[in-house]
Amino acid sequence: GQQLNQSPQSMFIQEGEDVSMNCTSSSIFNTWLWYKQDPGEGPVLLIALYKAGELTSNGRLTAQFGITRKDSFLNISASIPSDVGIYFCAGQPYATGNQFYFGTGTSLTVIP
Amino acid sequence: SQTIHQWPATLVQPVGSPLSLECTVEGTSNPNLYWYRQAAGRGLQLLFYSVGIGQISSEVPQNLSASRPQDRQFILSSKKLLLSDSGFYLCAWRGPRYSPLHFGNGTRLTVT
Repeated sequence: GQQLNQSPQSMFIQEGEDVSMNCTSSSIFNTWLWYKQDPGEGPVLLIALYKAGELTSNGRLTAQFGITRKDSFLNISASIPSDVGIYFCAGQPYATGNQFYFGTGTSLTVIP
Repeated sequence: SQTIHQWPATLVQPVGSPLSLECTVEGTSNPNLYWYRQAAGRGLQLLFYSVGIGQISSEVPQNLSASRPQDRQFILSSKKLLLSDSGFYLCAWRGPRYSPLHFGNGTRLTVT
């Protein structure tokens, strides 16, 4: 399957700081998704992107579909303790149509 | 609204025993269905996906199989479990094109 490179692997930040993470692929994607997963639970959808250049916000979260269609970015502003968790990007390759592949995740720790 | 049910939540099985995990979706018709495995809390690996009854696509060769006997039912099976089959199994569904994946709460499988 496809390999998505997600970075950073982990982040330790102070409450109130902003967070940025990104995901890159080796091929063109037509959909980028961002999820948050808490321990022992399934991933929960944060933001969905369907168009190159699209910038979408969900509260303090903002994600962008890269112009090259090979990358995506997620920003979290003014982090709070409940932002703790693992964040995953996921993408749907343009060539295949039905599969969704996931990045390796970014573990976020927020220090109060 | 649509909901996805996955059971059991946890399962401990001996090596060599069979496996059957079930996933059902409510509130939608003709969904795409997916099985993912997550090891050590990171990196979701796509195992199988289905675009319709009886239509199964396998992503990786393995000790597992999947079936879709009804439109909104997806089953993950094994005839003989291996230690390496331990992990967190997640079922997901997707609606029409340009819609995101939605996950169930997962099954924690431990093979002993």
